[in-house]
Amino acid sequence: EVQLVESGGGLVQPGGSLRLSCAASGFTFSAYSMNWVRQAPGKGLEWLSYIGYNSAIYYADSVKGRFTISRDNAKNSLYLQMNSLRDEDTAVYYCVRDADAYNYVHADSWGQGTLVTVSS
Amino acid sequence: DIVMTQTPLSSPVTLGQPASISCRSSQSLVHSDGNTYLSWLQQRPGQPPRLLIYKISNRFSGVPDRFSGSGAGTDFTLKISRVEAEDVGIYYCMQATQLRTFGQGTRVEIK
Repeated sequence: EVQLVESGGGLVQPGGSLRLSCAASGFTFSAYSMNWVRQAPGKGLEWLSYIGYNSAIYYADSVKGRFTISRDNAKNSLYLQMNSLRDEDTAVYYCVRDADAYNYVHADSWGQGTLVTVSS
Repeated sequence: DIVMTQTPLSSPVTLGQPASISCRSSQSLVHSDGNTYLSWLQQRPGQPPRLLIYKISNRFSGVPDRFSGSGAGTDFTLKISRVEAEDVGIYYCMQATQLRTFGQGTRVEIK
């Protein structure tokens, strides 16, 4: 069974930093691209960042230059380093499995999410 | 950037009746590999989103056959043939042809 478990959320002051982690299990992590997606309270879904199985990396304009995505295939883990946090970054952050090289099925597995609250 | 626009934003439906949600993209979602990467997701209250449909019309594992997807190019539709109580939630279209973008979401509720 595919499992994605996020951690690292919490309360942080504006301008602060947090590092989110996502522990993956139940599939060959290195073979899949991964994403971070967030959802502000009462709002819709916002794609933030993608890291390919080939390590290609992309960011949404809203977080470019502030957030950094990375992965450790040996640890089956995905990360999101978030710097210069703003009030508007308050949201639930989801780790989302993307496609592999053979079956182009995107966003087929989601973690439960971790809440990040940016407030003074 | 590709913008995804869903209509309606809210859809009150009678149990057992059909529901339909439209999604329009600001540019064609046909990828250079010939595929169209348009998906539909369901988010029940208090839950993370769940994949329903991928590549326009393919039902994901375990998705009931009352859900169907159709469309091409820039116009896509999700249909629920007979709405059940468990279908209440917010439905999102998502494109994965060029980076990733979600529609604003459509709330399906029971009348």
